[in-house]
Amino acid sequence: GQQVMQIPQYQHVQEGEDFTTYCNSSTTLSNIQWYKQRPGGHPVFLIQLVKSGEVKKQKRLTFQFGEAKKNSSLHITATQTTDVGTYFCAEDNFNKFYFGSGTKLNVKP
Amino acid sequence: NAGVTQTPKFQVLKTGQSMTLQCAQDMNHEYMSWYRQDPGMGLRLIHYSVGAGITDQGEVPNGYNVSRSTTEDFPLRLLSAAPSQTSVYFCASSYSSRGGEQYFGPGTRLTVT
Repeated sequence: GQQVMQIPQYQHVQEGEDFTTYCNSSTTLSNIQWYKQRPGGHPVFLIQLVKSGEVKKQKRLTFQFGEAKKNSSLHITATQTTDVGTYFCAEDNFNKFYFGSGTKLNVKP
Repeated sequence: NAGVTQTPKFQVLKTGQSMTLQCAQDMNHEYMSWYRQDPGMGLRLIHYSVGAGITDQGEVPNGYNVSRSTTEDFPLRLLSAAPSQTSVYFCASSYSSRGGEQYFGPGTRLTVT
């Protein structure tokens, strides 16, 4: 099946620093979704990107889909302690969703 | 709306026992799915359904059965539990399987001894 590789596995930042997680695939992705999972919680949908080169913003979060639709990134500007959690990318490939392994973000106040 | 509900929240089984994890949604979603989440491995799709009466295998289906007799319910059956099935199980639903937002349930933490 499809595989989406996600890096880094962990990221520790000081509050106020920026954070980026990357999702890469060796094949063209039909679309990419991003989810956030708080410690002990369940994944919560953040956004879906479909078009080549697409950029979407949600307050301090910026999501990008690569021109070749083989990679995507999530960038958080000026992290806050409420950003703590694990961020996952996922591809929807003909009804089958393939998740990356996630990037665990820890924010030190 | 309750969204996606799962029962039980926690379960301990002995090797060889069988059980059913329950999942229900009240959003009239067509698509439902089951995932398992293991440390460092993200979520892996076990089975999914695009509508009542239709199910299909995901990435890791062995040892699990599903059925979808109604739009609302999508139970996951463990036939003969093994320690390798110790995991957190999430059920999810979406309005459409065509790339839609997935809503996840709170999860069931299963331990097989």
